[in-house]
Amino acid sequence: GQNIDQPTEMTATEGAIVQINCTYQTSGFNGLFWYQQHAGEAPTFLSYNVLDGLEEKGRFSSFLSRSKGYSYLLLKELQMKDSASYLCAVKSDRGSTLGRLYFGRGTQLTVWP
Amino acid sequence: SAVISQKPSRDICQRGTSLTIQCQVDSQVTMMFWYRQQPGQSLTLIATANQGSEATYESGFVIDKFPISRPNLTFSTLTVSNMSPEDSSIYLCSVGRDRGPYEQYFGPGTRLTVT
Repeated sequence: GQNIDQPTEMTATEGAIVQINCTYQTSGFNGLFWYQQHAGEAPTFLSYNVLDGLEEKGRFSSFLSRSKGYSYLLLKELQMKDSASYLCAVKSDRGSTLGRLYFGRGTQLTVWP
Repeated sequence: SAVISQKPSRDICQRGTSLTIQCQVDSQVTMMFWYRQQPGQSLTLIATANQGSEATYESGFVIDKFPISRPNLTFSTLTVSNMSPEDSSIYLCSVGRDRGPYEQYFGPGTRLTVT
C-alpha cells in the first residue's frame, strides 16, 4: 500500500522560512509532487522530484531522498498569500492505475504578519 | 500547462437524484482522473477515465454509483448517482502529461451539496 505522512498544521511569520516535511512508503515510486491549495480552490502544481536532491524554483524549493522516503518543501521570504494547504503526492507505477498520484492529508500553513 | 474547465462549478441537489459533471481540456490528453475532496480532507482518487475503454475504479468506488464517460481525448463526464448527503464534496477533474515531468493539472472543481 501507500502511506504518506505530513504535519497537519504549521504557522510562520511574514518574511520567514518554513520547511514542510513529507515521508512516504510506497511501491513503484516514480516521482513526488508538491501542490498548493488555497481554500475553495483547486490544487496548483508547485514542484516535481524524481531524482535525489534539491529543485529550486524561485522562493520555493523541494528536496527528495528516495532512500529515506523523505521530501520537504522549503518556502522562503514568506508572504501572506502563501497561507494555504500544501499537499505532498507520490506517483506510483504499480497496481491497476499507472501514473496515479497518492496524496497526503495536506499541511495547512498560516502566515502571520 | 493544460487549461481545464468543469461544469457546473457548484450545485445543490436533493437526495436520490443524480448529477453529471463535465470536464473539458484544451488539448488532447491520454490520462484523465476524477478525484473527490471532502471537507477538510485531502484528495481521493475515484477513477481513471480511459479513452476507448472502461474507466478504472479505485477501491471503494463502483461504476453504478459513479459512471464515467470518456468519448474523446479532451472530454470526460462523471455522474454521481442516487446521491446522499455523504456525497457532498468537491469533485475535481485532473489530467496528466504522458511525458516528463508528468505533473497533473486540476480543474477548478465542482462543489456539490446534497440535501
